[in-house]
Amino acid sequence: KQEVTQIPAALSVPEGENLVLNCSFTDSAIYNLQWFRQDPGKGLTSLLLIQSSQREQTSGRLNASLDKSSGRSTLYIAASQPGDSATYLCAVSRSNFGNEKLTFGTGTRLTIIP
Amino acid sequence: DGGITQSPKYLFRKEGQNVTLSCEQNLNHDAMYWYRQDPGQGLRLIYYSQIVNDFQKGDIAEGYSVSREKKESFPLTVTSAQKNPTAFYLCASSLRADQETQYFGPGTRLLVL
Repeated sequence: KQEVTQIPAALSVPEGENLVLNCSFTDSAIYNLQWFRQDPGKGLTSLLLIQSSQREQTSGRLNASLDKSSGRSTLYIAASQPGDSATYLCAVSRSNFGNEKLTFGTGTRLTIIP
Repeated sequence: DGGITQSPKYLFRKEGQNVTLSCEQNLNHDAMYWYRQDPGQGLRLIYYSQIVNDFQKGDIAEGYSVSREKKESFPLTVTSAQKNPTAFYLCASSLRADQETQYFGPGTRLLVL
C-alpha cells in the first residue's frame, strides 16, 4: 500500500528566505507526482506535475524535483513571500491507473513571517 | 468563467438524515472525483467517474452514493449509513482520467447536529 509522508507538518520562515518542502513515498512505481497548494477552508490548486520520467519541473519561483528510486520529491520556493503561506500537499499517482488512484500526503503548513 | 463549483459551502446534517452535496463543472472535463479531508489526514477518494453514466468506488465509499447523469454534474449523497460524516468534502475534475492535472472546487464542510 502506497504511503505518502510530508515532514515537517508545519514550517515557519522569515520573508525572503528560500525554503524546501519534502515529500516521501513508499512505492516507487508511480505514474506522476503532483504538488498542490491549499489555503484555509479552500480547495486545492495544482502547482506542478512531474511525470515519472522527469526529474524536475519549474514554474516561476517554484521548482519541484523527483527522485523515484529513493521515493522522494522536494518543492523549492525561492524568495518566499507572505502570500506563499498555505498548506502544501503532494500526491502520487499509482502506476498504470491514472488520476483516480492519487494518494495524498497530509501536507506541510507553511507560514511566511513578514 | 470556467471552473468547478460546490454548494453549499456549509451543510448541517441531523441524525439519520441523507444529505446531498452538489458539484458542477463547465470545463468540459470527462473525469470527476469526490474526496474527503479530515484534520491530520490526507485526502481520501470516495468515488470517481471517468465518463458520464459511469462511476467507481474509491477507497472509502461505504455510506456514500453518487450519480453521473450529466457530464457537468457529479452530486454526492451522504447517507445515514455514514456514521462519521463530519469532514471537508472536495470535488475535483480532470480532462481525462489519466495523467491530467485535477482541478478542485472550493469544498463543502459538513457538520452533524
